[in-house]
Amino acid sequence: QQQVKQSPQSLIVQKGGISIINCAYENTAFDYFPWYQQFPGKGPALLIAIRPDVSEKKEGRFTISFNKSAKQFSLHIMDSQPGDSATYFCAAGSFRGKSNTGKLIFGQGTTLQVKP
Amino acid sequence: EPEVTQTPSHQVTQMGQEVILRCVPISNHLYFYWYRQILGQKVEFLVSFYNNEISEKSEIFDDQFSVERPDGSNFTLKIRSTKLEDSAMYFCASSEAEAGGTYEQYFGPGTRLTVT
Repeated sequence: QQQVKQSPQSLIVQKGGISIINCAYENTAFDYFPWYQQFPGKGPALLIAIRPDVSEKKEGRFTISFNKSAKQFSLHIMDSQPGDSATYFCAAGSFRGKSNTGKLIFGQGTTLQVKP
Repeated sequence: EPEVTQTPSHQVTQMGQEVILRCVPISNHLYFYWYRQILGQKVEFLVSFYNNEISEKSEIFDDQFSVERPDGSNFTLKIRSTKLEDSAMYFCASSEAEAGGTYEQYFGPGTRLTVT
């Protein structure tokens, strides 16, 4: 029930195209859903995050879509650029209640390659 | 821009030796975390720390592991007797996460631990 399932495992997109990565969760106690970008040898960098009270959040070329009833959320990268080539992780966490400490459960990751 | 820092960037140790990984979280943050990432795999939660005590730990965080906040700025992870399977990237993260604050967790650059 603590798992977060992410797909696809890898993705190749042409420059200027849209990259879409999907995640699904089971635990309805999750109330925070961030996306992280990771370059080789670096730590995960927070990209964008959403709370379940909204269905969409956009920051620049990055958009999170959230479907609470389906327990799914996705990352859309518009106008994908070669510099976006990295591994993307979705995650889920919760701070509700004293027993929830905000730990993040990560998806398996998606390796994105944007071809010039 | 404030950031989480970690030292050393790479630690090589022999099986059975003790290692201490160090982190300096962002100064006004209240929640601290350690995660690990085995090469090519997802990021896994190890432990969360709040108000000078462990608030949650995973199954991975057994008696060989301990955490400490020895002063107002450092946060350490100690592995008492390293095993080959402890070889991984270890990430420290911190979050402001006060009521009315944000849940965002910011990760450090990581320490690559190699156990030989």
